[in-house]
Amino acid sequence: EVVLTQSPATLSLSPGERATLSCRASQSVSNYLAWYQQKPGQAPRLLIFDASKRATDIPARFSGSGSGTDFTLTISSLEPEDFAVYYCQQRSNWPPVTFGQGTRLDIK
Amino acid sequence: QLQLNESGPGLVKPSETLSLICTVSGASLSSGPYYWGWFRQSPGKGLEWIGGLYYSGTPYYNPSLKSRVTISADRSKNQLSLTVASVTAADTAVYYCARDLTISGEVFRGYFSPWGQGVLVTVSS
Repeated sequence: EVVLTQSPATLSLSPGERATLSCRASQSVSNYLAWYQQKPGQAPRLLIFDASKRATDIPARFSGSGSGTDFTLTISSLEPEDFAVYYCQQRSNWPPVTFGQGTRLDIK
Repeated sequence: QLQLNESGPGLVKPSETLSLICTVSGASLSSGPYYWGWFRQSPGKGLEWIGGLYYSGTPYYNPSLKSRVTISADRSKNQLSLTVASVTAADTAVYYCARDLTISGEVFRGYFSPWGQGVLVTVSS
């Protein structure tokens, strides 16, 4: 099973700042990686798939990069609605899929 | 517009069977080439893929849960069902259903959007 490790566990930033979230895979997943955003009481929302492709209606301030084992989600300038928990997910050896443990993005 | 809605009992006793339904609107469970999945989220284990069903009816299960899980479809009602047998407190979670990501008719297998709103199931006597 591919294990995804996200860092940091919690990131405290202010609106307008740049956020950089990391996801490391225990083995190569090529570019088969997605990022989801989850707010309290809501389902996960897909932001990025295939490591760098934005899903429909996702603002351009969200971008993804990486391949192999190291991936990054960048939010270029934080908006108040961006404070949430972010998960990475891989599908390289579908099925199964596995998720990271999440990074909580808090308002500083 | 595709919408998914999970439903089922919020409380299940230990050793009993958990049964949930995902009602789909805006698309047919029989239409290909989609995959319909079940997931759960507990404080202790984060997000976990349980398994799911291809439009053809072929199921795939998480090996760690396979012995206790059954996923099937009632195509007349356009509903996806999940049963988990012999539940314990470790099965307490919010359960979600979701479909393959589709953009302009192209399916991206293994990525999921949209998701239902989720249903909380607590295992307790």
